[in-house]
Amino acid sequence: GNSVTQMEGPVTLSEEAFLTINCTYTATGYPSLFWYVQYPGEGLQLLLKATKADDKGSNKGFEATYRKETTSFHLEKGSVQVSDSAVYFCALRRTGFQKLVFGTGTRLLVSP
Amino acid sequence: DTAVSQTPKYLVTQMGNDKSIKCEQNLGHDTMYWYKQDSKKFLKIMFSYNNKELIINETVPNRFSPKSPDKAHLNLHINSLELGDSAVYFCASSPTGTSGRENEQFFGPGTRLTVL
Repeated sequence: GNSVTQMEGPVTLSEEAFLTINCTYTATGYPSLFWYVQYPGEGLQLLLKATKADDKGSNKGFEATYRKETTSFHLEKGSVQVSDSAVYFCALRRTGFQKLVFGTGTRLLVSP
Repeated sequence: DTAVSQTPKYLVTQMGNDKSIKCEQNLGHDTMYWYKQDSKKFLKIMFSYNNKELIINETVPNRFSPKSPDKAHLNLHINSLELGDSAVYFCASSPTGTSGRENEQFFGPGTRLTVL
């Protein structure tokens, strides 16, 4: 079946540190891949996406590259801020299907 | 202007009661969804409607019944509430088509349901 595996959190960093949150997936065909972010008390927001192999999604300093050979879509940011503290969800969507399959989420805590 | 709105934001009720959560989107999207997020933040799809027709119905107890009066609204009715129904319920919507935007789902702020 289709599934997404994320690293368990929380990830605790100091401001300006480098961030990596690992995400790997299992899917039939060629899914689209997403990172969503959930700030405290809010709904999910799309952070970035990639729809085919070797695509790089980027937004607000975050990046993730669709790696078909390793079935991964790791999220990175060069210098995190306190305002990046949130829960990050990796997700996939199979082509032709509406359903998003989410990972379990990774909480990021950034301290000043 | 709120794109996807849900009411109520908080809902506290007793076991055995029946309750509804409403969702409205003003984005002109054709597809709407209900998700359940448990206390560990795990997010799972429950239902999806496209133009008022049910297209996704995951393994959800039949105490949960979605209703879509028009494509801008998707309400969730829950009968005979149980303790395990306590969670945050998110509504979402997405466009359909081939522009690439159909991949993007827009989420509401969530409804925190607490069953006592």
